Amino acid sequence: DTEVTQTPKHLVMGMTNKKSLKCEQHMGHRAMYWYKQKAKKPPELMFVYSYEKLSINESVPSRFSPECPNSSLLNLHLHALQPEDSALYLCASSQDPRRRNEKLFFGSGTQLSVL
Amino acid sequence: DQQVKQNSPSLSVQEGRISILNCDYTNSMFDYFLWYKKYPAEGPTFLISISSIKDKNEDGRFTVFLNKSAKHLSLHIVPSQPGDSAVYFCAAKVGNEKLTFGTGTRLTIIP
Repeated sequence: DTEVTQTPKHLVMGMTNKKSLKCEQHMGHRAMYWYKQKAKKPPELMFVYSYEKLSINESVPSRFSPECPNSSLLNLHLHALQPEDSALYLCASSQDPRRRNEKLFFGSGTQLSVL
Repeated sequence: DQQVKQNSPSLSVQEGRISILNCDYTNSMFDYFLWYKKYPAEGPTFLISISSIKDKNEDGRFTVFLNKSAKHLSLHIVPSQPGDSAVYFCAAKVGNEKLTFGTGTRLTIIP
């Protein structure tokens, strides 16, 4: 199994809603990532979990709340989002965050629209 | 400050010919470089990588060249196929720090 699985694929939410994005990998990877990608822009790093602990938060607003329940799962809880938060949200994983020369495996993403 | 730049937003190549995608970087500490391919509404897919101790890495139709003195890398695809039409991102990192992505180049293969 070399997949990173993200659900849902599409999500439309209002600014007062609370929703969660889910990500799962069964490759035994110990680092998991959330990225945000706007159209025609490169992916932007949001959060990194290393061995299930939050190791990087790229100054992301608190309306985005990550959670890593175990080594295979990563969630992103969304609350009171703004229309400008509409984007493709990508989850990724890598084998060992301590190693150099690590490549990231990405999921297909959740296309989020905030109305 | 864009540390990794792909100066060509788009490139069109005839099927069967060579596609050359370019990437420039400013951080001389980068020691690992990767190319990703991305279809619309999908996540990036890893293509090929190269360590800074090498100047070339080849995998099937894909070859990456690294010129450290010029802070430049390129991806060669030969022969180009219609399925290669996608957006290509180069990315770079220092050690085990985060990946820095370029702005992407949209490659279109003309049948």
